[in-house]
This record gives sequence, structure tokens and C-alpha cells, in this order.
Amino acid sequence: QLQLHESGPGLVRPSETLSLTCTVSGGSMTTGDYYWGWIRQPPGKGLEWIGSVFYSGSTYYNPSLKSRVTISLDTSQNHFFLRLTSVTAADTAVYYCASLGAALRLAGDYWGQGIVVTVSS
Amino acid sequence: DIQLTQSPSSVSASVGDSVTITCRASQGISTWLAWYQQKAGKAPNLLIFAASRLHSGVPSRFSGRGSGTDFTLTISSLQPEDFATYYCQQANSFPVTFGGGTKVEI
Repeated sequence: QLQLHESGPGLVRPSETLSLTCTVSGGSMTTGDYYWGWIRQPPGKGLEWIGSVFYSGSTYYNPSLKSRVTISLDTSQNHFFLRLTSVTAADTAVYYCASLGAALRLAGDYWGQGIVVTVSS
Repeated sequence: DIQLTQSPSSVSASVGDSVTITCRASQGISTWLAWYQQKAGKAPNLLIFAASRLHSGVPSRFSGRGSGTDFTLTISSLQPEDFATYYCQQANSFPVTFGGGTKVEI
């Protein structure tokens, strides 16, 4: 069974770049069984999909963030990454990485525990 | 983008009650809909995928129905551990979108 774990800085200064890593264990990232995704949740609010990457490298982004987001992967290390540029306080959130199962109609069956990222000077 | 509207936004219920949550899509999504349960401080937990299929290990008191634009999640005989927030999610087309959430509280 897959396990996902987010890592990265918990504090980012305004206008700088947020960079997170998701480490996948318990399975391969290259089977095509999953899209790998990032989802965030601002304090007290609902879930927002940021984007996803397929093992081929194809990416899909939320249009509201597309100009600032890059998602990439390193299948040799079983990692995928989130990069969000020019952050503001509105980007403060819990960031989750998740696997969206192709056989589950892209439902997220495995999630990381989440990482709290605060944007503040 | 496909918008998902959940109702109600919150519901008060008691142990043993049955609760139904509705999710309406702004356009047809076939059965590309999932339901999640989220407890405070925790990641969402998948309950239902493909609108009506129970995810592995999820109790049978959870059930999902619907196709096209109208979907429901029903929790029959609420248990104490079911008090949480529930979200629907569509992946018929990118961007993936979530409903606003329904808080089930005592």
C-alpha cells in the first residue's frame, strides 16, 4: 500500500517561492495507475486542487494558480514536487500530496499527512 | 470549470440518525464523483468513488448514489466517529474540483 509524505519549509516569506516534495513509498510511480496531485486547504476553509502530474510528465493545473505553479516528478527517487512562486498570505494553507487512482476515476485514495505552510515576513 | 455545490453546509444529527448530503455539479460528470470524510487536523479519507462504489475498508453504512449532475451521500445509523466534514470531488475533467463541504455535527 502506498504511503506519501510531504516535506519542505513551514515558513515562506511573501513574494518568495514555496517548494515542497512528496515522497512516495510502497509502490512505483511509473505504472500509470495514478496521477500524482497536490491539494491545499487554507485555515478553516475547504479543499483546493492545485494540480497533478502523470508518470509521463504530463501536467494539469488549476487555472487560478497556473501562472505560478510547476509540478514535476523524479520517478527514479520516487518523488514529486510542487513549486509555487510569488506567494502571498493567501497561500497560507495545509498542503497535501495525494495519489489519484486511475481505476478509481481519479479519486484520491492515499494522502500524505499534510504540511502546514505559513506565508509571513 | 465544473462547480460542485454541496448542501447543506452543516447538519445537526444524533447517533443512530440517517443523514443525506447532496452534491450538484454545474454540468454532467457521469459518475466521476468521489466522497471524502475529513476530521479536524487530518487528511481527507476516501469513502466512495465512481459515485456509488464503496472504497476498501469503508463501513457499509456509507452509500453513494447519482449520475450526471445530482449525487447523494447517505450515512445510515450515524456513529460517534462519523461526526466530521464531508466533501465531494469531481474528476470528469480538469481542473479537479471539490464541493464546499458539509459539517455533520451533534
